[in-house]
Amino acid sequence: DARVTQTPRDKVTEMGQEVTMRCQPILGHNTVFWYRQTMMQGLELLAYFRNRAPLDDSGMPKDRFSAEMPDATLATLKIQPSEPRDSAVYFCASGFSGTGYHGELFFGEGSRLTVL
Amino acid sequence: AQKVTQAQTEISVVEKEDVTLDCVYETRDTTYYLFWYKQPPSGELVFLIRRNSFDEQNEISGRYSWNFQKSTSSFNFTITASQVVDSAVYFCALIVASGGSYIPTFGRGTSLIVHP
Repeated sequence: DARVTQTPRDKVTEMGQEVTMRCQPILGHNTVFWYRQTMMQGLELLAYFRNRAPLDDSGMPKDRFSAEMPDATLATLKIQPSEPRDSAVYFCASGFSGTGYHGELFFGEGSRLTVL
Repeated sequence: AQKVTQAQTEISVVEKEDVTLDCVYETRDTTYYLFWYKQPPSGELVFLIRRNSFDEQNEISGRYSWNFQKSTSSFNFTITASQVVDSAVYFCALIVASGGSYIPTFGRGTSLIVHP
């Protein structure tokens, strides 16, 4: 079964530290999304890549967050410096979109981040 | 702009009851895709169904059924004879085909609690 793999599953860190989350999308998928989930805000889109090109990161705090896709098998989300308000579950999802077709997203298990 | 409204924040039922989760969407596009996802307590969002705007046929899959009505812009989800394992948060999502972004708009989710 093809799956989206995210690491780490759980991360506890102190305020000011750098946090890097990694995602391996499903082979053959051409879209990758990063979402943040909190009780207050629900699912928030942070970044969106299509064919590895960043297309939307309007939901991401630019001063501390960055998202990259160095190759087709790896997407990263970095927070530097981290703050307590960044505590949330971060999901990576991949899918396939083409002309006239937009498939479902496959989500990873999420990375639970706690910033003390 | 697109919008998905899941007005029911939480629903509590007793096992074997039927339950319907509402989803109302807003878009000016004529070509769009609707999705339902399930997020069990383990955390990973799991795809349930995808519908495009040209296919108004209702769908049944085991105890799950979906009612798509363009006239009311609704895509409701019914679970027949609910079971404890159905306890989860359910998300409705919309992707529009125009504009080239193909970013899903998610509702806030409905938490379903099925009591034994």
